[in-house]
Amino acid sequence: DAKTTQPDSMESTEGETVHLPCSHATISGNEYIYWYRQVPLQGPEYVTHGLQQNTTNSMAFLAIASDRKSSTLILTHVSLRDAAVYHCILRVHQGGSAKLIFGEGTKLTVSS
Amino acid sequence: EAAVTQSPRNKVTVTGGNVTLSCRQTNSHNYMYWYRQDTGHGLRLIHYSYGAGNLQIGDVPDGYKATRTTQEDFFLLLELASPSQTSLYFCASSVRDTEVFFGKGTRLTVV
Repeated sequence: DAKTTQPDSMESTEGETVHLPCSHATISGNEYIYWYRQVPLQGPEYVTHGLQQNTTNSMAFLAIASDRKSSTLILTHVSLRDAAVYHCILRVHQGGSAKLIFGEGTKLTVSS
Repeated sequence: EAAVTQSPRNKVTVTGGNVTLSCRQTNSHNYMYWYRQDTGHGLRLIHYSYGAGNLQIGDVPDGYKATRTTQEDFFLLLELASPSQTSLYFCASSVRDTEVFFGKGTRLTVV
């Protein structure tokens, strides 16, 4: 099964730009890269996703390596509300259905 | 925005009891998923479905059954609950290759 590797934790300070890395060395050509974030006792919240090109939205910038074996979620001007566990996920297509395979995630701590 | 509603939000049952967790999504999404999450772990996939009547086995299916009765409704069944199934359960839904929407979760305690 496709898997992702992320650092267990990262720390930042309010106002900084944070780069959250994710390795997915065995990614297949039709797998999308999704990022979700989760705070305690809440369901995961969608952040962004991409296939090959870098993408940006109001929440984050997703940089995807040209070989697609890694990606980086970039959060600019982080605030205390950005403190969460960030999950890097591959969308696997198998047997006619699509499923998500979660990694352990990176716990982002933001200090004031 | 798509809504995924789980019920109940909290449930306590005894070992060996029967439990049914319900999930409903309101946007006729094709895909629906059941995950469990335990302290210190990421989400682990139990079962998922492509559409009404379709079922796929996830990564941690032992002790769980699931049924997709309609496009909107996906149920997770624990017929002989065990303490190891104490967990936070999330349901999710999506259309293929788009954002996946998660419910708020059901906290299940098996005593």
